[in-house]
Amino acid sequence: SSELTQDPAVSVALGQTVRITCQGDSLRTYYAAWYQQKPGQAPLLVIYGRNDRPSGIPDRFSGSRSANTASLTITGAQAEDEADYYCHSRDSSGYHSFGGGTKLTVL
Amino acid sequence: QVQLQESGPGLVKPSQTLSLTCSVSGGSISSSYYFWTWIRQPAGKGLEWIGLMYSEGITVYNPALKSRVAISLDTSKNQLSLKLSSVTAADTALYYCARGSYDYGDPRFDPWGQGTLVTVSS
Repeated sequence: SSELTQDPAVSVALGQTVRITCQGDSLRTYYAAWYQQKPGQAPLLVIYGRNDRPSGIPDRFSGSRSANTASLTITGAQAEDEADYYCHSRDSSGYHSFGGGTKLTVL
Repeated sequence: QVQLQESGPGLVKPSQTLSLTCSVSGGSISSSYYFWTWIRQPAGKGLEWIGLMYSEGITVYNPALKSRVAISLDTSKNQLSLKLSSVTAADTALYYCARGSYDYGDPRFDPWGQGTLVTVSS
């Protein structure tokens, strides 16, 4: 399965914009899905496809892709956005993989 | 709204087989639009994809676990099952089941169960 690489930790000031990135060869072909995981909770899908949000996910969350890098952007980060974020993709053989996760701290 | 709930023994001895069940409510596990998957997470670590099963019975497993994993569907009970053989302490983790889908090939897992903790210890 293809490897996905994320920065281990990122911080953002309250109300500012933060971008969390994910690199991997499979991302040249497939859009990443992004999950938010808060302590003691299951992961929650926040972005999928080109830039789609499940019902109930605030529109401050958005996704994009350039070459082999997928990005999750939070515009106007809130305290409740502090969490671990994981990217997810697949390769052409149908194997799935996750990035190592990025811990987002909202200052 | 589809909900998933994992269940199974919380403690498994080394070298034995871990067996978990995921009960699906609010939707049919037989839907051809979706597939069903298992993911695990050791304490304090990241997510690891274990494998998946399509409704037509095709399975795809993480190559790192392929020799030890078996995923199956029981459509009569609307359940998904995971068996992982020859377990060691490295298999201690929170195990999640999730529903998967593709849009133009792009994947997503949604929703997820709450997870069940499995500890491998004698």
